[in-house]
Amino acid sequence: KQEVTQIPAALSVPEGENLVLNCSFTDSAIYNLQWFRQDPGKGLTSLLLIQSSQREQTSGRLNASLDKSSGRSTLYIAASQPGDSATYLCAVGAFNYGGSQGNLIFGKGTKLSVKP
Amino acid sequence: SQTIHQWPATLVQPVGSPLSLECTVEGTSNPNLYWYRQAAGRGLQLLFYSVGIGQISSEVPQNLSASRPQDRQFILSSKKLLLSDSGFYLCAWVEGETDTQYFGPGTRLTVL
Repeated sequence: KQEVTQIPAALSVPEGENLVLNCSFTDSAIYNLQWFRQDPGKGLTSLLLIQSSQREQTSGRLNASLDKSSGRSTLYIAASQPGDSATYLCAVGAFNYGGSQGNLIFGKGTKLSVKP
Repeated sequence: SQTIHQWPATLVQPVGSPLSLECTVEGTSNPNLYWYRQAAGRGLQLLFYSVGIGQISSEVPQNLSASRPQDRQFILSSKKLLLSDSGFYLCAWVEGETDTQYFGPGTRLTVL
């Protein structure tokens, strides 16, 4: 059974710092991996999706990497800003019986606070 | 562009009462649709998913049920709510070309 773990559970940094959020998963047979952001009381916003054949994806100040063999992904945030404060969730896409994307298995998230 | 709606936004219900949460998607056809629950201190838990009208798969045994009466409508129901049903319910759909999963704004359910 796939399990997704995110460390740390919470992180507080001063504005301007570069930071790394970690995600690990137990089964390397994944279809893809997706990083989301969730603001308090809101739904999830997709940040980056990495297909299983890819090593990394970049969007603005965000860079996500994937190492399937070691069961790890990282989300790198450059030059953090107070507006980056949110909970960041990692989700692993499983295969369905037809070989395409099945369900997402989520970690519990890392709550990030960026202090001005 | 595609949009996903959920209502109501918040709901307070007594134990034993029925439940109906609705999710609709605009701007796409035949989407895969999902219901998740996010309980306090726990991660997102997949409850149901649907690949088409009338096709529902359940991931977790519980007193909830789901239906898909139309292509872009997904409904989560219960005949009798339990205290443990409290949580934040999220509907999502998958964009076929990129496999990206997009979420609705959620419904906060409190069962008293």
